[in-house]
Amino acid sequence: AQSVTQPDIHITVSEGASLELRCNYSYGATPYLFWYVQSPGQGLQLLLKYFSGDTLVQGIKGFEAEFKRSQSSFNLRKPSVHWSDAAEYFCAVGAGGYQKVTFGIGTKLQVIP
Amino acid sequence: EAGVTQSPTHLIKTRGQQATLRCSPISGHTSVYWYQQALGLGLQFLLWYDEGEERNRGNFPPRFSGRQFPNYSSELNVNALELEDSALYLCASSLDRDQPQHFGDGTRLSIL
Repeated sequence: AQSVTQPDIHITVSEGASLELRCNYSYGATPYLFWYVQSPGQGLQLLLKYFSGDTLVQGIKGFEAEFKRSQSSFNLRKPSVHWSDAAEYFCAVGAGGYQKVTFGIGTKLQVIP
Repeated sequence: EAGVTQSPTHLIKTRGQQATLRCSPISGHTSVYWYQQALGLGLQFLLWYDEGEERNRGNFPPRFSGRQFPNYSSELNVNALELEDSALYLCASSLDRDQPQHFGDGTRLSIL
């Protein structure tokens, strides 16, 4: 069975600083990997996905993520954080595209001035 | 284009009661997914409906059930409510099983 670990429950960064959110997955075959963002009181929005091909994927809102098979990781990065990025971020792994997706517990990002 | 809409926004029930949550997918979307987001547990997959049929089910007891109507809207029913059912229930829809899911804003279910 697939699983996702987001080791950081809560992260605080200063506005303008760089950001890296960690995600490790467990899955026997090539995984389908996702990052979602959830703003307070709202549903989830897909930031980016990895299905195959280039291991560095670009997403919306200036985010990117890198798939590293050797480390079973799919970390999310942003070079300069904006106050509006404060939200909860979920990493997810799927066995078959968008179906049967398992989500991590989420990382809550706080941005300070 | 209207997004995924869920109703009600908030629902307060007591133990043992039954709750019905509703979801209207984006127009043209035939797949509907239900998730439970409980405090400290992340997002847990509940149910997936496609073309009116239940296609997959997460690890939840049978008192969690649902259905999808001919217009592709969906209901999630939770019977014999327990305190631990308190959570945000999210609905998502997609054009088909191979397309991205679009999420609604959820129904907050509180069990007193």
